Amino acid sequence: DAGVIQSPRHEVTEMGQEVTLRCKPISGHDYLFWYRQTMMRGLELLIYFNNNVPIDDSGMPEDRFSAKMPNASFSTLKIQPSEPRDSAVYFCAIADTDKNIQYFGAGTRLSVL
Amino acid sequence: EDQVTQSPEALRLQEGESSSLNCSYTVSGLRGLFWYRQDPGKGPEFLFTLYSAGEEKEKERLKATLTKKESFLHITAPKPEDSATYLCAVTKSNTGKLIFGQGTTLQVKP
Repeated sequence: DAGVIQSPRHEVTEMGQEVTLRCKPISGHDYLFWYRQTMMRGLELLIYFNNNVPIDDSGMPEDRFSAKMPNASFSTLKIQPSEPRDSAVYFCAIADTDKNIQYFGAGTRLSVL
Repeated sequence: EDQVTQSPEALRLQEGESSSLNCSYTVSGLRGLFWYRQDPGKGPEFLFTLYSAGEEKEKERLKATLTKKESFLHITAPKPEDSATYLCAVTKSNTGKLIFGQGTTLQVKP
């Protein structure tokens, strides 16, 4: 967890509200990944960036989800509007040269009521 | 459809009781298989990478092996601190896109 700081750790919101999840890599990296983890579907890749550029967003469930990486030290995942089925733990992960060896943050637990 | 299946879903062991976790996969063009460990309330932590059938990797009480259809994570003389969820993942390309299994939750009782 030391390489990636995620905030907030917990988020409770009401259906229809906008939610922004944040990820701050501490160490240098080439790749940044956003994942979602639920009991039903397990750990799923949503989107990943290479040198701050989005490479593959095929895992983003729908247009309500968007992700940005304005610089190497910061990324956001936004859900607008949020729905109860978005409730999950969202992880940010980074990787360097070997992009399959990924270092995960502690995650943000999102509850949409 | 590419699929990663882990078994059992849950495993309870007594301290010192060795066992194995299974990860079977149906993926065309496997490029690599990975094991991660996840503690409650934390993100997954990388353990091993396996790239070809017959390959083995070891770390302390853990040993990972790979065949053409499955991988095993062998745990020898486990301790309570080995309790965690163990995730298996595969990749079809060198892009960092990992397909994860549902995991095996291991509990080791003293």
